[in-house]
Amino acid sequence: GIQVEQSPPDLILQEGANSTLRCNFSDSVNNLQWFHQNPWGQLINLFYIPSGTKQNGRLSATTVATERYSLLYISSSQTTDSGVYFCAVGERDGNNRKLIWGLGTSLAVNP
Amino acid sequence: DGGITQSPKYLFRKEGQNVTLSCEQNLNHDAMYWYRQDPGQGLRLIYYSQIVNDFQKGDIAEGYSVSREKKESFPLTVTSAQKNPTAFYLCASSTRGGSTDTQYFGPGTRLTVL
Repeated sequence: GIQVEQSPPDLILQEGANSTLRCNFSDSVNNLQWFHQNPWGQLINLFYIPSGTKQNGRLSATTVATERYSLLYISSSQTTDSGVYFCAVGERDGNNRKLIWGLGTSLAVNP
Repeated sequence: DGGITQSPKYLFRKEGQNVTLSCEQNLNHDAMYWYRQDPGQGLRLIYYSQIVNDFQKGDIAEGYSVSREKKESFPLTVTSAQKNPTAFYLCASSTRGGSTDTQYFGPGTRLTVL
């Protein structure tokens, strides 16, 4: 099955810094989503982005499907950005609603 | 407000007992999912349902059971056959059809076996 790898596994930032999180996947996908899990466990969908670029405030994401990777950019980081960021993909020939998850990038933003 | 609710937030169980975790959504979504998350790990799919009265096993279904009698509800039973049930359980839902199946999550239930 498809493999999803996220890097870096851990990241510590000073408030105000920028960062880039990466998601590599091993096969073609028809669905790619980025999620943020806060320290209390709540998961929030950030982007649905199987290809192209999207922006939402200080966050943006780019997926290059032909090269099998996606990037999540966080600009001017804030302490509330802390938590774990997950990338999840759906296989192109498989069930569109079954996602395969990476292990996440744990981000800590210090004041 | 529309959303997904899970109850209870914390659950303690003695070994050998079955427990049922509740998941309700009022988003009018067709598809619902149960995931398990262990510390420092990603999410693993237990069961999912694309429509009422139908569900499929995910990657780690052994020791779990589900039902989908109503569109709004997708309860998960953790049976005594599940060897290591202590974990964080997350329920999600999404629309059916097309390619924009964004998943929305409930707040989770933390299950501890004593």
